[in-house]
Amino acid sequence: AQSVTQLGSHVSVSEGALVLLRCNYSSSVPPYLFWYVQYPNQGLQLLLKYTSAATLVKGINGFEAEFKKSETSFHLTKPSAHMSDAAEYFCAVLSVSGGYQKVTFGTGTKLQVIP
Amino acid sequence: EAQVTQNPRYLITVTGKKLTVTCSQNMNHEYMSWYRQDPGLGLRQIYYSMNVEVTDKGDVPEGYKVSRKEKRNFPLILESPSPNQTSLYFCASSLERAGGETQYFGPGTRLLVL
Repeated sequence: AQSVTQLGSHVSVSEGALVLLRCNYSSSVPPYLFWYVQYPNQGLQLLLKYTSAATLVKGINGFEAEFKKSETSFHLTKPSAHMSDAAEYFCAVLSVSGGYQKVTFGTGTKLQVIP
Repeated sequence: EAQVTQNPRYLITVTGKKLTVTCSQNMNHEYMSWYRQDPGLGLRQIYYSMNVEVTDKGDVPEGYKVSRKEKRNFPLILESPSPNQTSLYFCASSLERAGGETQYFGPGTRLLVL
């Protein structure tokens, strides 16, 4: 069974500081990995995804993530936090096996940006 | 506009009163899925469908039913709702191709079961 672990349910950073949100996964088959963002009272929006091409993936709003197979990690980073980045972030893994797709989400990390 | 729609957006009901939350997508996606979101638990998959008449259980299917009679629609049915089904529900859809297709999410349905 696959699983996703997001370390830290709440992360606070100062405006302009580095954002690092951690995600580790376990999957029995090669995974596809996603980061989604959820702003208050809204649905989920895709930030970026890894689909076995480049290991460093660039997404929207200046975010990027690096797939590290040896560490089974897919951490999300942004060099300089902006107030508008305050939201909840979810890491997700999608495995395809026997023609079926299985998606598992992490428990989410709420990012607070301090002025 | 490409979108996933859910109705209703907000619903208050009582224990045992059957309800249906509708989900519709206009992107001709094969794959559709229902999730519930609870504080501290993230999103958990309830049911998913690979195509018309093809559905399977996710991680938390108990107390829910689904059907997929048409490609665009994937209703979630609660035959006898209970308070522990109070949650925020999201429908999502994507292409079925095994290439890590992006899921598109609906705006959510907030359900309160008294």
